[in-house]
Amino acid sequence: GENVEQHPSTLSVQEGDSAVIKCTYSDSASNYFPWYKQELGKGPQLIIDIRSNVGEKKDQRIAVTLNKTAKHFSLHITETQPEDSAVYFCAVWGNKLTFGGGTRVLVKP
Amino acid sequence: KAGVTQTPRYLIKTRGQQVTLSCSPISGHRSVSWYQQTPGQGLQFLFEYFSETQRNKGNFPGRFSGRQFSNSRSEMNVSTLELGDSALYLCASSPSQGQYGYTFGSGTRLTVV
Repeated sequence: GENVEQHPSTLSVQEGDSAVIKCTYSDSASNYFPWYKQELGKGPQLIIDIRSNVGEKKDQRIAVTLNKTAKHFSLHITETQPEDSAVYFCAVWGNKLTFGGGTRVLVKP
Repeated sequence: KAGVTQTPRYLIKTRGQQVTLSCSPISGHRSVSWYQQTPGQGLQFLFEYFSETQRNKGNFPGRFSGRQFSNSRSEMNVSTLELGDSALYLCASSPSQGQYGYTFGSGTRLTVV
């Protein structure tokens, strides 16, 4: 089955700096790559997604890049703010959503 | 519009008991998926229902089961509870079977003692 690896597991950044989270996957047939943000006591919330026919997508301070040849994709958060502190999950769609292990992001004011 | 509603939010059960969790999808959404979230294993897929039929199933023992009703509401059941079943159980709905538009509920926190 699909295997998704996510790095790093924890990330501490200073407010205003950028944060980058990387994921690799195993199934070359996968075609949809969402990112979720999970805050304490809540379920994961979709923040951005990308499909296999697109290399990059941006939405305000967040962006995702996809390299299908290398089977990896990344989340970039610029100008980080304290409210960006949360756990972030990448996911890959084959015939179901398979999630990475998560990255706990802490933005220090 | 209302989001995905999961009830109850918290549950404490004893080993050997069974439990039923409920999920009401977003109005108009017909597909419901269930996930188990634990610190050690992360988010793991349990099953997906669409049009009252199980369309996909993860690698969980038969003690885990589910169903979907004609109004798209879904329930999952865990029988003969074990300590390792303690987890956050998340439900996600989407407009149709497939990958886009997944919206998660806040989950049911199950503790088995």
